[in-house]
Amino acid sequence: SQQGEEDPQALSIQEGENATMNCSYKTSINNLQWYRQNSGRGLVHLILIRSNEREKHSGRLRVTLDTSKKSSSLLITASRAADTASYFCAPPVDNTDKLIFGTGTRLQVFP
Amino acid sequence: DTGVSQNPRHKITKRGQNVTFRCDPISEHNRLYWYRQTLGQGPEFLTYFQNEAQLEKSRLLSDRFSAERPKGSFSTLEIQRTEQGDSAMYLCASSPDRGWEKLFFGSGTQLSVL
Repeated sequence: SQQGEEDPQALSIQEGENATMNCSYKTSINNLQWYRQNSGRGLVHLILIRSNEREKHSGRLRVTLDTSKKSSSLLITASRAADTASYFCAPPVDNTDKLIFGTGTRLQVFP
Repeated sequence: DTGVSQNPRHKITKRGQNVTFRCDPISEHNRLYWYRQTLGQGPEFLTYFQNEAQLEKSRLLSDRFSAERPKGSFSTLEIQRTEQGDSAMYLCASSPDRGWEKLFFGSGTQLSVL
């Protein structure tokens, strides 16, 4: 079963617009991560947010975490065509040392 | 730091043949993970190692799949008697013990079973 589920499944925007992706998860977590995957490539770690943090920034990325709602969001500001990729959230599975990925959000940024 | 290396990059095989993939993790990364990904889906966990010990294997993994990590360095994933349903991208990732949640992925091996 999936630990993290992303929403929406697909998102299309124009360059310069902001993109928001959401993630819901099922169990308690110590942290949550977001990964990016370009077509046909491996995943790349973007950002990690800990359970005692509510918001975290990295460049044009902003991640929020609401542990009471078991949800997180990833905001990409001023998007670029190069941001076109799939984005996955990955909360660790409770009491295990593995990450379970959802189906991701496929972001398409048109120039 | 040369990153996680996977070979081959592509593999085409006939149904019923055996295939083996190799993964070279980042040096000094104790943990090594294998995932499988089909088109439009997220990576599916297969198994992982801490050093040479295989700590967990997915229940979804049939007996035709086996993974090894001799001496805690590189790892191999073997699929015996391949089936068309095995066609997928096989991803390897490694991480250190501390901060293990930040996985470093290779570019994957794309398997096509004809």
